[in-house]
Amino acid sequence: DIQMTQSPSSLSASVGDRVTITCRASQGTSNYLAWYQQKPGKVPKLLIYAASTLQSGVPSRFSGSGSGTDFTLTISSLQPEDVATYYCQKYDSDPPFTFGPGTKVDIK
Amino acid sequence: EVQLVESGGGLVQPGGSLKLSCAASGFTFSGSAMHWVRQASGKGLEWVGRIRSNADRYATAYAASIKGRFTISRDDSKKTAYLHMNSLKTEDTAVYYCTSIDYWGQGTLVTVSS
Repeated sequence: DIQMTQSPSSLSASVGDRVTITCRASQGTSNYLAWYQQKPGKVPKLLIYAASTLQSGVPSRFSGSGSGTDFTLTISSLQPEDVATYYCQKYDSDPPFTFGPGTKVDIK
Repeated sequence: EVQLVESGGGLVQPGGSLKLSCAASGFTFSGSAMHWVRQASGKGLEWVGRIRSNADRYATAYAASIKGRFTISRDDSKKTAYLHMNSLKTEDTAVYYCTSIDYWGQGTLVTVSS
């Protein structure tokens, strides 16, 4: 099975900072990679699918890139409402559709 | 408006069974693969399993941690997906979400305890 890792596991940044989260798959997963945001006490929300396609209604400060085994989620200008845990998930045709362990983002 | 509403959670003893339901509205349920994802308190998201649509012969797939104990089914006429859970263990305690990936329910809490 493909294993998903994320780095860092947590980060603290200032409002307006550029934030980058990395997700790595143990084997190539093409572009079938999604990113989710889960705010404290809330349901996960899809941010990006197909590695780089922004879900409808998601602010444009979020972007995704990468392919194969290495993927990145970038928040171009961190806002207070972005405090959350971010998860990547591979969802290609070959289950299991494993989630990464998550990256917790806080405001400094 | 898209809605996914889970129900059926509760307290069950180890070794017991429970059936969760996920009622969908506001989108083409019959054409959508449906997943179950769980989250133990303070922990990350864990994919549980998936059932595809009729076009893909309702193919199912499961996480290794629950394979052989949990079964996913669906009733397209009722726009409802189900998670049948047997031989429950304390480590199955979690909030269980149903999701079409782009839409998520609010979750239902399953507590396995004696």
